[in-house]
Amino acid sequence: DGGITQSPKYLFRKEGQNVTLSCEQNLNHDAMYWYRQDPGQGLRLIYYSQIVNDFQKGDIAEGYSVSREKKESFPLTVTSAQKNPTAFYLCASNNRDGFDQPQHFGDGTRLSIL
Amino acid sequence: KNEVEQSPQNLTAQEGEFITINCSYSVGISALHWLQQHPGGGIVSLFMLSSGKKKHGRLIATINIQEKHSSLHITASHPRDSAVYICAVDQTSGSRLTFGEGTQLTVNP
Repeated sequence: DGGITQSPKYLFRKEGQNVTLSCEQNLNHDAMYWYRQDPGQGLRLIYYSQIVNDFQKGDIAEGYSVSREKKESFPLTVTSAQKNPTAFYLCASNNRDGFDQPQHFGDGTRLSIL
Repeated sequence: KNEVEQSPQNLTAQEGEFITINCSYSVGISALHWLQQHPGGGIVSLFMLSSGKKKHGRLIATINIQEKHSSLHITASHPRDSAVYICAVDQTSGSRLTFGEGTQLTVNP
């Protein structure tokens, strides 16, 4: 079955470390997205990519970096510059034809600081 | 004020009850989405609509563009419907989804 795979499900980071969250999709979607979810807040867009080798900052990109070397993969790196990284991170994808196409979501990665 | 407001924030119902979750938005949109997030965190898209009404099983979504309001109804609710329901809009002026904070629904047996 096609879908989005995020790994790991739980991730722990020490202060000052960079960590990379994986997102892989086999839906042949052009566009991929990273969201952050905090308690009591709606999902916020970190980065998105509409095509391979291109990506754009979302609303809260500071302290994060991404790459899109392959269509099926869109890893997110949480750098030490992100001051409050503890959150639930969701990856999504859809067809490039529009942001108004339904997005398919992964099961998320919960990041905690040790 | 958030551009997308959902009510109520929390809702507890007894099995079999008819449930309504509301979503109001203050921006121009091209489409509105209803999403379901289960306790494990994964999100499923339930509906995408730009006018009128859509039905899937016991779920019904309606939208009134003039009033900038949408509702999600669940008929004959069941404990397995317990989840967070999220409203999101595609703004006509932007290129990204704007999300509401979600409604936590608990259906007791």
